[in-house]
Amino acid sequence: DQQVKQNSPSLSVQEGRISILNCDYTNSMFDYFLWYKKYPAEGPTFLISISSIKDKNEDGRFTVFLNKSAKHLSLHIVPSQPGDSAVYFCAASAESGGTSYGKLTFGQGTILTVHP
Amino acid sequence: GAVVSQHPSRVICKSGTSVKIECRSLDFQATTMFWYRQFPKQSLMLMATSNEGSKATYEQGVEKDKFLINHASLTLSTLTVTSAHPEDSSFYICSAIPLGQYEQYFGPGTRLTVT
Repeated sequence: DQQVKQNSPSLSVQEGRISILNCDYTNSMFDYFLWYKKYPAEGPTFLISISSIKDKNEDGRFTVFLNKSAKHLSLHIVPSQPGDSAVYFCAASAESGGTSYGKLTFGQGTILTVHP
Repeated sequence: GAVVSQHPSRVICKSGTSVKIECRSLDFQATTMFWYRQFPKQSLMLMATSNEGSKATYEQGVEKDKFLINHASLTLSTLTVTSAHPEDSSFYICSAIPLGQYEQYFGPGTRLTVT
């Protein structure tokens, strides 16, 4: 049972354009969402997060949007740069559950390729 | 920024032997660390939550007697894969949450190959 899904295995974007990575979840207990960037044979690097009390969070070129009713979140990268090419994972957590603090459920990842 | 290291980065062992992987938070203390594994082209799967000074909490389907976790200090957690078999070959990643913070910081991972 995949509770966090990234249905696009890959995305190819031209440099300077917007990259939009999507993520859907099924567990209504999830109330905290994160995006990570990962290179092969390395650990994930935290990018940006959003709490369920918000619908948008912005940090530089990265913006995360959350649509709770649709159980959907997206990561926008604008403008995209070749150095953004990596695997992007979304992750979710049910923080208000107390014992679930910090436990992340990851999506399958989306390979982003930004062409010069 | 918060840095997490893992050692070794890569290990090859023979079937039936045990392998220990270390996870260290280099510039912060962490009461909670997590261990994940990732199979090729798949998601990171949480294996267990490592709590300093207490027993680890394992996710469903993860054998606690096979994957021994010790969190002896606020900066070190170890994962020992006992009696390793080829199906245990995977990429093992740890993460840690700094005291008083929320985001997890991940180690670089350890590639285990069991022959």
